[in-house]
Amino acid sequence: DVKVTQSSRYLVKRTGEKVFLECVQDMDHENMFWYRQDPGLGLRLIYFSYDVKMKEKGDIPEGYSVSREKKERFSLILESASTNQTSMYLCASSLSAVNTEAFFGQGTRLTVV
Amino acid sequence: GNSVTQMEGPVTLSEEAFLTINCTYTATGYPSLFWYVQYPGEGLQLLLKATKADDKGSNKGFEATYRKETTSFHLEKGSVQVSDSAVYFCALHKTGGFKTIFGAGTRLFVKA
Repeated sequence: DVKVTQSSRYLVKRTGEKVFLECVQDMDHENMFWYRQDPGLGLRLIYFSYDVKMKEKGDIPEGYSVSREKKERFSLILESASTNQTSMYLCASSLSAVNTEAFFGQGTRLTVV
Repeated sequence: GNSVTQMEGPVTLSEEAFLTINCTYTATGYPSLFWYVQYPGEGLQLLLKATKADDKGSNKGFEATYRKETTSFHLEKGSVQVSDSAVYFCALHKTGGFKTIFGAGTRLFVKA
C-alpha cells in the first residue's frame, strides 16, 4: 500500500513563527501536493511539485513556500504564520500525469495563536 | 475554468436508506472523474473513479456514472450503513494536467 506520512497530526504555533510541515511518500510517486481544507471551501491547492526541485504555485500560494530536495519528501513552509493560516493541511501524492489517483496523508491540524 | 459543484450537506439518513449525492462539473475536453471519502480524523481516500463518458465506477456498494450530456457524476448507494458516515468529495482531473479539482465536500451522517 502507498503510504503518505505527515510529520504531525496537531500543531500549535504563535503568530510570526516560521512553520515547517513535512510529508513523505514511500512509493516513488512523481507528483506531490499540499492542500488546505477549510469548512465549506473543500480542498484548495497551495503548491505542487512534479519532480525533484520543481515546484508550481497552486490556487492559494500567498504566505507559503515549499521545498522538494528528494523525490519522497515535500515540505510546506509558512514563512511567518498568521491566524488566518489556521487550518487542516493535507499532503498528497500521485504516480504520474497519466495515473492521477491521489493518495493522501492523515492531515495536520495547525492552529496559529 | 474547471470546477466541481456538489450538493451541500449535511445529509442525514437512517441505516439502510438510499443515498444520492449530486455532483456536476464544468470542464473542457474529457476529464477523469473521482469520488473521494474522508472518514473522521483521516485523510482522503479514493472511493471510485471513471475515466470516460458512460463509464460506471463502483466500490463498496457505491456507484457513479460519468454522464457527459448532463456533466454529472452523482454518487449512489442502495443501502447505507452507520460506517458510511463521512465526508464525500467529488473531483475532476483533466488529462495531461497535474491538478485535481475538488468539490466542497458533502458530509453524510447515518443513524442506526
